[in-house]
This record gives sequence, structure tokens and C-alpha cells, in this order.
Amino acid sequence: GESVGLHLPTLSVQEGDNSIINCAYSNSASDYFIWYKQESGKGPQFIIDIRSNMDKRQGQRVTVLLNKTVKHLSLQIAATQPGDSAVYFCAADNNAGNMLTFGGGTRLMVKP
Amino acid sequence: DAGVIQSPRHEVTEMGQEVTLRCKPISGHDYLFWYRQTMMRGLELLIYFNNNVPIDDSGMPEDRFSAKMPNASFSTLKIQPSEPRDSAVYFCASSLEGTVGYGEQYFGPGTRLTVT
Repeated sequence: GESVGLHLPTLSVQEGDNSIINCAYSNSASDYFIWYKQESGKGPQFIIDIRSNMDKRQGQRVTVLLNKTVKHLSLQIAATQPGDSAVYFCAADNNAGNMLTFGGGTRLMVKP
Repeated sequence: DAGVIQSPRHEVTEMGQEVTLRCKPISGHDYLFWYRQTMMRGLELLIYFNNNVPIDDSGMPEDRFSAKMPNASFSTLKIQPSEPRDSAVYFCASSLEGTVGYGEQYFGPGTRLTVT
């Protein structure tokens, strides 16, 4: 079945630096991907999404890159701030409706 | 809108007891999802509904788990009997299928279940 995984469980960055969080997926039929942010004690919160007909999408301080050839996507956060500290999940659809498969999560720690 | 509402926020119960978790999705959303989150297994989809009808329950661990959605504004996830390994945070999420993609899922704050 679908599996979505993250390369690094914990990422520590200096405040003001850029952060890059990576994710791999296994189902080549997936055509919709989402990044979620989860702060301690809260549910996951949508950050940005991308469809498979795109390879890049930008939001406010965040950019998602999709490489369908190697089934890899990344989340780039510009000028990382203390408020960005959280666990970040990537999720991919299973191409059969509204189901999403979530990766294991990467914890981002921002050092002041 | 208040977002997805879940109750209770915390539940501590003894093994063998019945546990009922409740969810009120965002008004107008036609999809509702139940997830379980643990350190070992991450975020797992248990079951989801479309227009109050269960679509896929393949993620439900075993017969001890059941979920219902009697109307568009309420869903329950029941565990009977509960076991210590059921201890986790249970999230409910809802979404509205848009014309493009599958729609953003909005998550509730979760219910932290501890079974002793």
C-alpha cells in the first residue's frame, strides 16, 4: 500500500535561516500532496498543497517542491522563526477519493 | 465557524471499559475522518465518511472499534472494550471536496485517550 516517509526525524535550525524538510512517497499514482504543521497539543494544520501537474508552489515564506521522477517532495521555510517550531507532516492522496496517507513527521526546532 | 470540535479533550479509563469519542465537523463539510496518532505509528487513518456514509474503514484496528455518523453534524468513535494499547490521541478532521484536488482537511484539537 501507500507509504509516505520522512528522511529526518529532527531538524534543528538557527532563527533566520532557511529550513528544508524532505519527504518520500511510494505511490506513483498519487497526484495531490499536502504539508501539515502540528504544534504541541494541537491537531495538524494545513500549510500548503501541490498537485502533480506542478513541480513548485509558493506560499507565504513556504515553498513546496515536487519531484515526481524520484517521488520526493520538500517543504522550504524561508527565514525560519521560533513560531515555526513544530512537527511537519507530508501527506499524499491514494488517488481513490479523499484519503490521505501521512508520513511519520519531522520535528523542526528553531534555535534563537 | 468554531472549527472541528472534539470531546472530551482528555479521557482516562480502565481496561475493559467502553470509550466514546465525539466529533462535530465544520458545518457544510461533506467528508469526516477519524485518525489515531501514536509515537510508534504516527498518524493513521481509521475510517472516513462521505455524506454520513462510511466509505473506507480498512484502518479500523479490530472489531472493538466502531464509528457512526448519524447526521452531518455529529460522529462518534467507540472502543469496546478498551485496552492499554488503544492509548493514543484521536483526531477528527473534516473537509469539503472542491473542484480541484481533494480539499484541505481541517483537524480538531484531538482527544487524548489513556487506558490503564
